Amino acid sequence: DQQVKQNSPSLSVQEGRISILNCDYTNSMFDYFLWYKKYPAEGPTFLISISSIKDKNEDGRFTVFLNKSAKHLSLHIVPSQPGDSAVYFCAASARAFGNEKLTFGTGTRLTIIP
Amino acid sequence: NAGVTQTPKFQVLKTGQSMTLQCAQDMNHNSMYWYRQDPGMGLRLIYYSASEGTTDKGEVPNGYNVSRLNKREFSLRLESAAPSQTSVYFCASRETGTGNEKLFFGSGTQLSVL
Repeated sequence: DQQVKQNSPSLSVQEGRISILNCDYTNSMFDYFLWYKKYPAEGPTFLISISSIKDKNEDGRFTVFLNKSAKHLSLHIVPSQPGDSAVYFCAASARAFGNEKLTFGTGTRLTIIP
Repeated sequence: NAGVTQTPKFQVLKTGQSMTLQCAQDMNHNSMYWYRQDPGMGLRLIYYSASEGTTDKGEVPNGYNVSRLNKREFSLRLESAAPSQTSVYFCASRETGTGNEKLFFGSGTQLSVL
């Protein structure tokens, strides 16, 4: 039972354009969401997070949007750069209910075309 | 600043052999985790340790054992390796008690079981 889903295994975007990565979840107890970025042969690194009390969080070129009613979040990267080419994982946890373990999605491989 | 250090980086085992994956963190984090990453499956939690002296099962614990040796070290043992355990293994740690869900990952161990 995949509680966090990333339905697009891969995405290609032209350099300078906007990249939009999507994530859906099924567990209504999730109240904290994170995005991780992973380069080949490296561990995932934290990118940006959002609490369920917000619907948007921005950090430089990266913005995460949360739609609680649709159980959907998205990561926007503007403008996209070649160094953004990586696998992106969405993750969720249910902090308010004492579950502090992260549940990860299957990942989306983003390729930025120069 | 080493962060989370995993050894070895690569390992090839024959079916039935045993081995221990080592993990150490120097950030004074209470919680430590072992994940495995498989194609199309994302990151799945094997075991975690919320504090020194405690361990708990994650999503996919079968075939594995763990030891939280001290606050810094958390090892993962395969007693009798199987081809289904071919994967990339990541150790991670997290600060607790602050509401900070951010996991810090090691660079991974690529394990092949023949």
